[in-house]
Amino acid sequence: EVQLLESGGGLVQPGGSLRLSCAASGFTFSNYVINWVRQAPGMGLQWVSSISGSGGTADYADSVKGRFTISRDNSKNTLYLQMNSLRAEDTAVYFCAKDRIRGSLVGAGMAFDIWGQGTMVTVSS
Amino acid sequence: DIQMTQSPSSLSASVGDRVTITCRASQSISAYLNWYQQTPGKAPKLLIYATSNLQTGVPSRFRGSGSGTDFTLTISGLQPEDFSTYYCQQTYSPPQAFGQGTKVEI
Repeated sequence: EVQLLESGGGLVQPGGSLRLSCAASGFTFSNYVINWVRQAPGMGLQWVSSISGSGGTADYADSVKGRFTISRDNSKNTLYLQMNSLRAEDTAVYFCAKDRIRGSLVGAGMAFDIWGQGTMVTVSS
Repeated sequence: DIQMTQSPSSLSASVGDRVTITCRASQSISAYLNWYQQTPGKAPKLLIYATSNLQTGVPSRFRGSGSGTDFTLTISGLQPEDFSTYYCQQTYSPPQAFGQGTKVEI
């Protein structure tokens, strides 16, 4: 079964850091662009970041550029999101989601077909 | 950045009804429009990709149409499990923006 499982969320103070993980199974992880999408409490979905299958190309929403870093370890089938300088407005459930088509490029127009269950990040003092 | 606007924000319907949700892009996105369904506390689920293509396993009562800037999701014969929030998403150009969502309620 194709699956994504996030972990690493929690409560952090403003200005703090947190690293999220997304463990993949059931598919050839290195063949797919993987994305992070977040959802603030009671709000809609916001794309955060994407990374190519090789890890060589990444893209970020303006709201997190310079503070968040996406990376992946294909030997461990795991995606990461390093979040620094966290703000209250970063409070959200963070989902990882894979591109529908293998071999696609970052930003190449693919839908997100498999999503993890999400991990909650709360930024508060 | 491309902005996505859904309407209505919410609607009330009954089992068996036909429901139409509209999504409008601030500029042309060709056919790069996807639809997702989300129930409370769950991850979004892909329903339709590239405007009109049904994702595997999605019932045929869901239909997507449109092009350019105007798109619709139609649910024919609403079922109890369809009472959810629906989001459109453009993947024409980054950032891959989502609409604000349409909640379908009883």
